[in-house]
Amino acid sequence: KQEVTQIPAALSVPEGENLVLNCSFTDSAIYNLQWFRQDPGKGLTSLLLIQSSQREQTSGRLNASLDKSSGRSTLYIAASQPGDSATYLCAVNSGGGADGLTFGKGTHLIIQP
Amino acid sequence: SAVISQKPSRDICQRGTSLTIQCQVDSQVTMMFWYRQQPGQSLTLIATANQGSEATYESGFVIDKFPISRPNLTFSTLTVSNMSPEDSSIYLCSVLQDANTGELFFGEGSRLTVL
Repeated sequence: KQEVTQIPAALSVPEGENLVLNCSFTDSAIYNLQWFRQDPGKGLTSLLLIQSSQREQTSGRLNASLDKSSGRSTLYIAASQPGDSATYLCAVNSGGGADGLTFGKGTHLIIQP
Repeated sequence: SAVISQKPSRDICQRGTSLTIQCQVDSQVTMMFWYRQQPGQSLTLIATANQGSEATYESGFVIDKFPISRPNLTFSTLTVSNMSPEDSSIYLCSVLQDANTGELFFGEGSRLTVL
C-alpha cells in the first residue's frame, strides 16, 4: 500500500525566502505525482503535475522535482510572498491514470510579511 | 482545466439527518471521485462515481452510508446518510478530465458540520 509523507508538517518563514517542501513515497511504481495548494476551508488547486517519466516541472516561481528511484519529490518556491501562505499537499497516483490519489498530510506554510 | 461547482459550500446539519452534495462540471470528464477530509487530516478517497452504474467504494466506505449517483458525464451527487458528529468534514468532488495525463482537479469542497 502506497504511503506518502510530507516534511516539514509546518513551516514559517519571512517573506522573500526561497524554500523547499519535501514529499516521500514508499512505492516507486507510480504513474504521476501532483502538488496541490489548499487554502483554509477551501478545495484543492492543482499546482504541478509530474509524470513518472519526467524529472521536473516548472510554473512561475514553483519548481517540482521527482526522483522515482528514491521515492522523493520536492516543491521549490522562489521568492516567497505572503500570498503563498497555504497548505501544500503532495499526492501520488499509483494507478493507470484513472485511480484515485494517495495524499500526504501536507505542509502548512506561513509566509511572514 | 475543468470548472467544478459544488453545492452546498457549507451546511450545519442535525444528527440523524441526510444531506446530498452536488457536483457539476462545465465539460464532460472521464472520471469523477468523492473525497473526505476530516478536521486536521489529509484527503481520503470515498468512492469513484461511475456513470450509469454503481459507484466503486474504497475500504471502510459503504453504499448505505454514502450513496452516490452519476447520471451523466458532467454531474454527480454524494449523500451522507444518517449523519453523526463524526461525519463533520469537508467533502470534495474531483474529476479526471484527461486519462492520458492523469491530472485531477478538485471542486471548492462542501464543509459539513453535524451537531
